Amino acid sequence: GQNIDQPTEMTATEGAIVQINCTYQTSGFNGLFWYQQHAGEAPTFLSYNVLDGLEEKGRFSSFLSRSKGYSYLLLKELQMKDSASYLCAVRDYGGSQGNLIFGKGTKLSVKP
Amino acid sequence: DADVTQTPRNRITKTGKRIMLECSQTKGHDRMYWYRQDPGLGLRLIYYSFDVKDINKGEISDGYSVSRQAQAKFSLSLESAIPNQTALYFCATSDPQRQGARLDEQFFGPGTRLTVL
Repeated sequence: GQNIDQPTEMTATEGAIVQINCTYQTSGFNGLFWYQQHAGEAPTFLSYNVLDGLEEKGRFSSFLSRSKGYSYLLLKELQMKDSASYLCAVRDYGGSQGNLIFGKGTKLSVKP
Repeated sequence: DADVTQTPRNRITKTGKRIMLECSQTKGHDRMYWYRQDPGLGLRLIYYSFDVKDINKGEISDGYSVSRQAQAKFSLSLESAIPNQTALYFCATSDPQRQGARLDEQFFGPGTRLTVL
């Protein structure tokens, strides 16, 4: 079956670092995406991993371990505008023809 | 600027009414998707279309139908709306041919908030 787990909510302080974890089980893994979604708005692309390791993009980094079915999104130097939901999504060629399967999202609140 | 647009942005309707949500894109992408988002349930795929003649059911297609009128247009219909179809609906596009074989980023429209009373 297909399953993606991520924490429902997290709280962090402005200027700090926060790590949002995502674990997944799929039958035909072919890439993992992170999206950011502010309340009431459309999701926007943050990062993509298909090979093991760390991808860095400014204040945001994403890590993937395919053998462990695990990814994390790391946000550094948190700003108030980073308060949003973060969606982990896996591309699965096993049961969903390569479509994205989304986790339920992690709502991050950044406090002063 | 190439974009994904959805109309209407908000709609309130009554149980049993027929509703159509429309999506247009100027990105020139072949693939289009309809999702619904409910609190605590995340984004779930309703229907997807890889080109004008290729339409497929997603995870939760019951109670919905779609029409791909052209490469740029993909409409979602609720033939007889019911209250549990109250949700935020997103259209999205992607085209792996344009972004390299292994990156299939999806671009989302602004969403339609539908309330069925």
